[in-house]
Amino acid sequence: QQQVKQSPQSLIVQKGGISIINCAYENTAFDYFPWYQQFPGKGPALLIAIRPDVSEKKEGRFTISFNKSAKQFSLHIMDSQPGDSATYFCAASRGSTLGRLYFGRGTQLTVWP
Amino acid sequence: GAVVSQHPSRVICKSGTSVKIECRSLDFQATTMFWYRQFPKQSLMLMATSNEGSKATYEQGVEKDKFLINHASLTLSTLTVTSAHPEDSSFYICSARGGGQGYGYTFGSGTRLTVV
Repeated sequence: QQQVKQSPQSLIVQKGGISIINCAYENTAFDYFPWYQQFPGKGPALLIAIRPDVSEKKEGRFTISFNKSAKQFSLHIMDSQPGDSATYFCAASRGSTLGRLYFGRGTQLTVWP
Repeated sequence: GAVVSQHPSRVICKSGTSVKIECRSLDFQATTMFWYRQFPKQSLMLMATSNEGSKATYEQGVEKDKFLINHASLTLSTLTVTSAHPEDSSFYICSARGGGQGYGYTFGSGTRLTVV
């Protein structure tokens, strides 16, 4: 059973547009929700993360929106740039127990100039 | 910030030989290490979790005798792919958690293994 479901699988956005990627989870014990950016041939790099005690977190052009009751969270990339073209993974974990991360299937984002 | 160094970045080996991949935490003590495998255009698949000084816990379906994990110190974990075959060709990534990182996980840069 997939613990974290991510959509869409691929996303094409024009430069300057908003990219939105959505994730949903089942386990209410999860308390740490990070987003990772991965370029081809590289390991994932942490983009931004949120805990369930806040509904939104913003860092530069990247924003996480978190809906605890719906068990959903999303990544918004404002003013998308060609350099943002990468694969994005959402994940969840019981961070308080030093447990493993559960990853979504990933979204391949392409930003056209 | 926390850094995890993974080596080698690429390795080509002959079928039947063994390959060792190293993962080092450079500026923190990694109490827990995770090893992942990733196929092209797919998500990361957890292979095993290891805690310093303990035997690794393998995910269902992962052969522990084929993928040997050693986490002998708080800064070093190794993954050895024994008797490698072409189907073991993949991208292997380590990740570490440790003191001072809060809830964060730090990933290595990955190792592209090609078995010929």
